[in-house]
Amino acid sequence: SAVISQKPSRDICQRGTSLTIQCQVDSQVTMMFWYRQQPGQSLTLIATANQGSEATYESGFVIDKFPISRPNLTFSTLTVSNMSPEDSSIYLCSVNSGQHLYGYTFGSGTRLTVV
Amino acid sequence: SQQGEEDPQALSIQEGENATMNCSYKTSINNLQWYRQNSGRGLVHLILIRSNEREKHSGRLRVTLDTSKKSSSLLITASRAADTASYFCAFYTGANSKLTFGKGITLSVRP
Repeated sequence: SAVISQKPSRDICQRGTSLTIQCQVDSQVTMMFWYRQQPGQSLTLIATANQGSEATYESGFVIDKFPISRPNLTFSTLTVSNMSPEDSSIYLCSVNSGQHLYGYTFGSGTRLTVV
Repeated sequence: SQQGEEDPQALSIQEGENATMNCSYKTSINNLQWYRQNSGRGLVHLILIRSNEREKHSGRLRVTLDTSKKSSSLLITASRAADTASYFCAFYTGANSKLTFGKGITLSVRP
């Protein structure tokens, strides 16, 4: 299965600023997924990132707040823009390299605290 | 909501005991997966069961699937302190390759 390097692992940011999270995959994958996990909660899909096209956002998430880049088949970034304390969460990227027959691989997560 | 529901929400057992966690869902699925998360880090895939399978084993893990009841269970046998983590069921419907997660179960295994 794929191996994902996600960074930063954690950050403390001032409100109103932006943070960009990076995920590097050791193999080419068509789709990358970005999730948010609010404190004590489950994972919620933010968007699906395909190479060469605009990301597809889930209900409640917009591009202006969470712009995503997918410049090639092994890399993606998620930016959390104009942050507020409510954005404090763990953000995770994920890929599926097994054509849905196997589990998804997740990055180690970025723990974001906005003060 | 298509989110899965697990129960119990929290489980505390003694090392060596078995842990059983249940998951229910609302829609038709292609497969159901279980993941473990340690201390708010990344998720680790444990086991996947397809909609045409009823039971699957992997080491100390046993998962069952009842599509008529739209439910699944994960059994961890002979638990260890290192099994302490949050466990999530997630189901894949085939639509847009998205995975939908349940709310999670916190398992504590006392040494």
